[in-house]
Amino acid sequence: DVKVTQSSRYLVKRTGEKVFLECVQDMDHENMFWYRQDPGLGLRLIYFSYDVKMKEKGDIPEGYSVSREKKERFSLILESASTNQTSMYLCASSLDGLTEKLFFGSGTQLSVL
Amino acid sequence: QQQVKQSPQSLIVQKGGISIINCAYENTAFDYFPWYQQFPGKGPALLIAIRPDVSEKKEGRFTISFNKSAKQFSLHIMDSQPGDSATYFCAASLNNAGNMLTFGGGTRLMVKP
Repeated sequence: DVKVTQSSRYLVKRTGEKVFLECVQDMDHENMFWYRQDPGLGLRLIYFSYDVKMKEKGDIPEGYSVSREKKERFSLILESASTNQTSMYLCASSLDGLTEKLFFGSGTQLSVL
Repeated sequence: QQQVKQSPQSLIVQKGGISIINCAYENTAFDYFPWYQQFPGKGPALLIAIRPDVSEKKEGRFTISFNKSAKQFSLHIMDSQPGDSATYFCAASLNNAGNMLTFGGGTRLMVKP
């Protein structure tokens, strides 16, 4: 079974800190995604990547950047964390651009104080 | 602007009852409609999906009903069980962009024993 692993289950950071969220998948998937999950808003796409060193903005990229130096690893970066970035962050992967099924990690609950 | 609207936000059903969650979409170019199931502490996982060329798809106790003219689709859970208690997300995607999903806001289902 595909495994998508997010490095932290819970994170507490201070306003203005630089925050790194890490995600690793073990099935050689081409596509990787970062979503944030907020009550009543569902899942909203922040960034995605379809290949190493490639990235595309999703629906809410402001305040975030990403890095994909290796195929299996996709990092989400908050350059200067703000309280409105307190949320559940979910990483996902899919085999390729034509494959519809997403595999999600268990999420990182980030609190920015 | 949320392109996929989901209702209700929360739902309580007695064991053995039918759970019904509804979604409405705006973009007529959507052509893939999955439902994801999320248990507490876990990431969402694909439950069932449908394309607009059929009006219904059934997998075990789970059925998707699709109404193309009304731009609506719904998830029916027959003989609901306490183990079905989870958050359910509907989603939609465009042709040839199947893994670029637009999610609904989610429904928190509780099945009482």
